[in-house]
Amino acid sequence: DGGITQSPKYLFRKEGQNVTLSCEQNLNHDAMYWYRQDPGQGLRLIYYSQIVNDFQKGDIAEGYSVSREKKESFPLTVTSAQKNPTAFYLCASTATTSDTQYFGPGTRLTVL
Amino acid sequence: GENVEQHPSTLSVQEGDSAVIKCTYSDSASNYFPWYKQELGKRPQLIIDIRSNVGEKKDQRIAVTLNKTAKHFSLHITETQPEDSAVYFCAASKNDMRFGAGTRLTVKP
Repeated sequence: DGGITQSPKYLFRKEGQNVTLSCEQNLNHDAMYWYRQDPGQGLRLIYYSQIVNDFQKGDIAEGYSVSREKKESFPLTVTSAQKNPTAFYLCASTATTSDTQYFGPGTRLTVL
Repeated sequence: GENVEQHPSTLSVQEGDSAVIKCTYSDSASNYFPWYKQELGKRPQLIIDIRSNVGEKKDQRIAVTLNKTAKHFSLHITETQPEDSAVYFCAASKNDMRFGAGTRLTVKP
């Protein structure tokens, strides 16, 4: 999982602002995922993409948007429509030939 | 869609004892079941996984069992050590992965 990077590590946002979280991988993985983790809870799937220029909604996609223009990049935008965005966001990727997901270090987003 | 339930939510054991965490899943099509360990503020790390064509898998002090008929799988940690203290997540997957809510394991020295 050292080949997956997320930036920034900490992010502060004012209410009403959109913010974009970066996720990059150099593992040549086809599939990429975004999860949200709230304190004391598990990981909930926001969006995933199994191939470039294609992505699907997960369980909690409302208020979020993604793009997959390049294989190595899967940015997540948290829009002002997301009413409670403060959370730890984790990106993951997996190769087509494997089910194993490898996680990035995460971005902790705080809305002020 | 898939729904994964995990129990217990917290588990405290004495060093050297065994720890068992159990998960159930709803989608019989799920065929891949990983377990992740997450330390505070860190990313989840895969510790062991099992596929639906296997009933049991062991890696040193860690083992996982799968009962496809009952749709449940379990993580077993033997000879626990303080450094095993963390939050453990189970997951079930076919094309996309769903996670359990996590178990906070505390190993007391």
